[in-house]
Amino acid sequence: AQSVTQLDSQVPVFEEAPVELRCNYSSSVSVYLFWYVQYPNQGLQLLLKYLSGSTLVESINGFEAEFNKSQTSFHLRKPSVHISDTAEYFCAVSDPGNQFYFGTGTSLTVIP
Amino acid sequence: GAGVSQTPSNKVTEKGKYVELRCDPISGHTALYWYRQSLGQGPEFLIYFQGTGAADDSGLPNDRFFAVRPEGSVSTLKIQRTERGDSAVYLCASSLGRGPGLNEQFFGPGTRLTVL
Repeated sequence: AQSVTQLDSQVPVFEEAPVELRCNYSSSVSVYLFWYVQYPNQGLQLLLKYLSGSTLVESINGFEAEFNKSQTSFHLRKPSVHISDTAEYFCAVSDPGNQFYFGTGTSLTVIP
Repeated sequence: GAGVSQTPSNKVTEKGKYVELRCDPISGHTALYWYRQSLGQGPEFLIYFQGTGAADDSGLPNDRFFAVRPEGSVSTLKIQRTERGDSAVYLCASSLGRGPGLNEQFFGPGTRLTVL
């Protein structure tokens, strides 16, 4: 079975500062990796995903994540956060059987 | 186009009662998933449909939980003899299919179930 660990439950960061949200997974098979974001009072939205190819993937709003197979990690980064980035972020892994496993989430709070 | 919709948005019931939660997936999406999200936790997989059949129901916690998708579109999650521990947000998601490029999941807003 697969599992996902998000090491930080809460991350406060000042506006325009960089941020890294950590995600590690365990799996005995090839997986696909995802980051979902949940803004206050909204549903989960896909932020970015790694399926194959380049290990560095980017979102349209400046986030990026790098798949590191040797460290079984898929950390999410942004060089300069904005107030609007305040949200809950979930890392997820999907196995070839299509079942998704989510981490417990990281609450990112951007401080003005 | 329309996203995934779920009804009701909130459901309050008493311990021991039966509840039904409905999910309308995105038109054309053959895969449909149910998750349960408790406070402070990530979504927990319950069941996955490919078309009309339950391809994987290994996440259903016990036999009080059941889900159907009779025509391969709308799905209903049914919970019998509800318990206080069933209180959570129940999320539905749909995707075009399975496999890379097809399994991006689109989530509904969820149904918040409260069992008193």
